[in-house]
Amino acid sequence: TQLLEQSPQFLSIQEGENLTVYCNSSSVFSSLQWYRQEPGEGPVLLVTVVTGGEVKKLKRLTFQFGDARKDSSLHITAAQPGDTGLYLCAGAPGGSYIPTFGRGTSLIVHP
Amino acid sequence: SQTIHQWPATLVQPVGSPLSLECTVEGTSNPNLYWYRQAAGRGLQLLFYSVGIGQISSEVPQNLSASRPQDRQFILSSKKLLLSDSGFYLCAWPRPGIGYTFGSGTRLTVV
Repeated sequence: TQLLEQSPQFLSIQEGENLTVYCNSSSVFSSLQWYRQEPGEGPVLLVTVVTGGEVKKLKRLTFQFGDARKDSSLHITAAQPGDTGLYLCAGAPGGSYIPTFGRGTSLIVHP
Repeated sequence: SQTIHQWPATLVQPVGSPLSLECTVEGTSNPNLYWYRQAAGRGLQLLFYSVGIGQISSEVPQNLSASRPQDRQFILSSKKLLLSDSGFYLCAWPRPGIGYTFGSGTRLTVV
């Protein structure tokens, strides 16, 4: 059983389109992180969300943490080929310091 | 500065041969360290974590072992590799308030 469920698993879009990826759980997290990973490299942290209902923006990327701190979303506006990669959400469920990762959303943005 | 190093970047090993992957951290002391394995383009599976010298916790029983001989060194080993050990291995360092910093990864191919 996957503690963090990410959807969709795969996304192939054209440059300029908008997209949203989701990270859902039945558990409460004190914080969730989003990472982007390019082939052959380690994941790189994009953002950490901590407060329920929090919205953070990173240029064209908007991250939201659910009010109940069980889910999060990542919205990309006007996607560019440079956004291509595997997007992973991660967090440690309440009471644990061991991080768990979703399976990721593989995004391809075609020029 | 605080950095994490992982090597080698790629490795091709025959079945039955030994393995040693190394991860070192600079700019901090007594960090928690993790070893993950990632299937092709997908999520991360936690293999081992360590909270200090000589302290190793295994999450998944398998053909691999880990050691923490020094404060900032974390080693992943195997005495005899199996074909199923092929994968992308990542060392991770959780940094409070920042998130997880990953090494650049090791692509292991067992032939």
